[in-house]
Amino acid sequence: GQNIDQPTEMTATEGAIVQINCTYQTSGFNGLFWYQQHAGEAPTFLSYNVLDGLEEKGRFSSFLSRSKGYSYLLLKELQMKDSASYLCAVRDLQAGTALIFGKGTTLSVSS
Amino acid sequence: SAVISQKPSRDICQRGTSLTIQCQVDSQVTMMFWYRQQPGQSLTLIATANQGSEATYESGFVIDKFPISRPNLTFSTLTVSNMSPEDSSIYLCSVLLSWASYEQYFGPGTRLTVT
Repeated sequence: GQNIDQPTEMTATEGAIVQINCTYQTSGFNGLFWYQQHAGEAPTFLSYNVLDGLEEKGRFSSFLSRSKGYSYLLLKELQMKDSASYLCAVRDLQAGTALIFGKGTTLSVSS
Repeated sequence: SAVISQKPSRDICQRGTSLTIQCQVDSQVTMMFWYRQQPGQSLTLIATANQGSEATYESGFVIDKFPISRPNLTFSTLTVSNMSPEDSSIYLCSVLLSWASYEQYFGPGTRLTVT
């Protein structure tokens, strides 16, 4: 099976940098995904890592280490609108094609 | 990308009844999935909807409780049968466009309350 862990809650202030960690265990790893979900809305795709290293996309970056079963999402220059849940998910081909999600990290950004 | 619509967007139902949720995509897609999101929780995969054959259910979910249809490459339904208050949740349809793509897109969800 899969086991995905991430912190439940985090807080930060506007303009700061925050790093949300995710650790996972899978049998047939085929990608690590980060989604953002605002309250009452559907999840939206942020990033995808399948090889080790850092993927940068604007204010958001995601890192993957397959040997350590570890990823993080880095958010820079935080804005109030970044207050949301951030969901770490993996694709495990031995379990099917669908993404399997962690419990999510609720980020609160204050001024 | 894909535009996914779900009907109904929300409903309030009495226990013991059933509700069918529809998912429509604006283009043909390879894979369709159904997830549940209970209040304050993350997403739990219910099943993979297979076109022309029975859905593949995850542990803890059974066909009698959550029958799923997928008659073609753009449409699927999920029925929540014999509902109880524990079924109160958001149900989300999700799609994978093709075997070459990696991003899963999500519909807006159906908010179900069972009284």
